[in-house]
Order: sequence, then C-alpha cells, then structure tokens
Amino acid sequence: GENVEQHPSTLSVQEGDSAVIKCTYSDSASNYFPWYKQELGKGPQLIIDIRSNVGEKKDQRIAVTLNKTAKHFSLHITETQPEDSAVYFCAASTGGFKTIFGAGTRLFVKA
Amino acid sequence: NAGVTQTPKFQVLKTGQSMTLQCAQDMNHNSMYWYRQDPGMGLRLIYYSASEGTTDKGEVPNGYNVSRLNKREFSLRLESAAPSQTSVYFCASSHFSGGYTDTQYFGPGTRLTVL
Repeated sequence: GENVEQHPSTLSVQEGDSAVIKCTYSDSASNYFPWYKQELGKGPQLIIDIRSNVGEKKDQRIAVTLNKTAKHFSLHITETQPEDSAVYFCAASTGGFKTIFGAGTRLFVKA
Repeated sequence: NAGVTQTPKFQVLKTGQSMTLQCAQDMNHNSMYWYRQDPGMGLRLIYYSASEGTTDKGEVPNGYNVSRLNKREFSLRLESAAPSQTSVYFCASSHFSGGYTDTQYFGPGTRLTVL
C-alpha cells in the first residue's frame, strides 16, 4: 500500500529564515498532495495542496513543489514567524477516500 | 458555522469498558472520516463513510465500529477498550463523493486514555 515518509521530524529555525519539509511517497498513482498544519490542542488544518498535473504552487509565504519522477514533494515556508510554530503533516492520495499521512514535522520558530 | 465538532474532548476508560465518540458537521459534507493520531505515526484512517448509510474500513479498523446516523453525524464505538487504543481521535469531513480527492476538515479531537 501507499507509504509516505516525512523529514525532518523536528526543525528549528530563526524568525525570518526559511523552512523546508520534505516528503516521499511510494505509490506512483498518487495524484493529490495536501499539507496540513496542526497547532497545539487543535485538529489539522489544510494550508496548501497540489495535484499531480502541477509542479509548483504558491500562496503568499508558503509554496509546495512536486517531482513526480522522484515521487517527492516539499513544503517551503519563507520569512518564518513565531505563529508558524506547529506540527506540519504531508499526505498523499491516489484519489478516492483514503489519504495517507506522513509522521509529521514539529517546526519551532525562534524569535 | 461550527464546522466539525467532537464530544467528549477527554475520556479515561478502564480496559474492557465501552464508549462512543460523537462527531457532527454542519457543512453539508457527503464524506466523513475517523482517524487516530499516535506519536511519530501521523494520522491513520480507522473508518470512513462516503455517504449517509454507508461505511467502509480504513487502515486500522480492528476493535472499532462506526455508525453514520445521518448526513451530519458519524460516531465511533469502542466495544471493549484496550490500552492499545489510547490515542487522540479525530473526525473529519469533506465534500468528496467521487472523482478528485478534496480538502478534509478536522474536528478538535478526543484524547482517550485506556488504563
């Protein structure tokens, strides 16, 4: 079945620096790749997503890139702020109802 | 709109006890999901419901049952709780009814401890 690996598990950056989180997936049929942000004590919330017919997508300080050949996708956060501190999850879906999540990255942004 | 709501927020059970986790959404979504979240393992799908009256197994269904009571509500039942079911449980919903996978909206979670 599908497997999603996410790295690093913990990431600490200075405010204003960039943060990059990387994921790889195993099923070449995967066609939808969402990223979720989970703040302490809350449920995950979608921050950006990308479909397999697109190589890159950007939304203000957040961007996601997808390399279908390498089965690899990444989240880039620029100009990080303390409120970006949270756990981030990547995920992959082949369509349908089942989405496989990565193990999560805990991001600390130091002021 | 309240979005996705879950009750209770916290629960402690003894091994062998039963309980039902409740979930409701007010977004008129077709699909609903139950996940469990364990440290270092991300979210794993327990059961999902594509529409009212239908339910299907996810990745880790053993030890759980679900009921899609109506379009709004989707409950998760533990018939005989075990310590391995200690976890944080999230309910989610989405518009999805076939075709492209879409955004899932998550509730605030239920933290369950089984002693």
